[in-house]
Amino acid sequence: LAKTTQPISMDSYEGQEVNITCSHNNIATNDYITWYQQFPSQGPRFIIQGYKTKVTNEVASLFIPADRKSSTLSLPRVSLSDTAVYYCLVGMDSSYKLIFGSGTRLLVRP
Amino acid sequence: DTGVSQNPRHKITKRGQNVTFRCDPISEHNRLYWYRQTLGQGPEFLTYFQNEAQLEKSRLLSDRFSAERPKGSFSTLEIQRTEQGDSAMYLCASSSFPGQGLAAFFGQGTRLTVV
Repeated sequence: LAKTTQPISMDSYEGQEVNITCSHNNIATNDYITWYQQFPSQGPRFIIQGYKTKVTNEVASLFIPADRKSSTLSLPRVSLSDTAVYYCLVGMDSSYKLIFGSGTRLLVRP
Repeated sequence: DTGVSQNPRHKITKRGQNVTFRCDPISEHNRLYWYRQTLGQGPEFLTYFQNEAQLEKSRLLSDRFSAERPKGSFSTLEIQRTEQGDSAMYLCASSSFPGQGLAAFFGQGTRLTVV
């Protein structure tokens, strides 16, 4: 699985847009880019996945440039409840071993 | 189906005792995973099943740990002769292969405290 690098922590305020960037320079041709969210004392929650260009769902958007060596998770108009750890994962559909790094701790302030 | 279910949610045990955790995955999912998570760290892979076959075990899984998935449905994770270092959140996840990429669905976890 490709190694990922993301910021350890980020701070934001309610109502702002938050962009968390993940670097994955060694991404392989068939790798997906997947993001999870985890609240304290809960299991991670899958939020979005993409292969190239842009993906949007009701929770977030995922921007992937043409070279796919990085990706950006965009959370529009965050609220206090978006305070969580966000993990970026990269790998193929056949990957059975999801590798979680330390993630990005997002703190949303009032 | 309400998602992945894990029981118990919390377990406190004395050092040296055996404990068993149960995971009920999403019913149509053929893959099931166990992870362990300690405070401030991301989840660490322990083992995974494709249907009833256990296809990989992490080196983190010592001989005191065993997991089963009889008939490819629910799974159990047993820890024998627990040690204080086993204290952690134990997470179960399931997914459907092929076709879902890295999308897996996690349970709420079982928090183990060894005293």
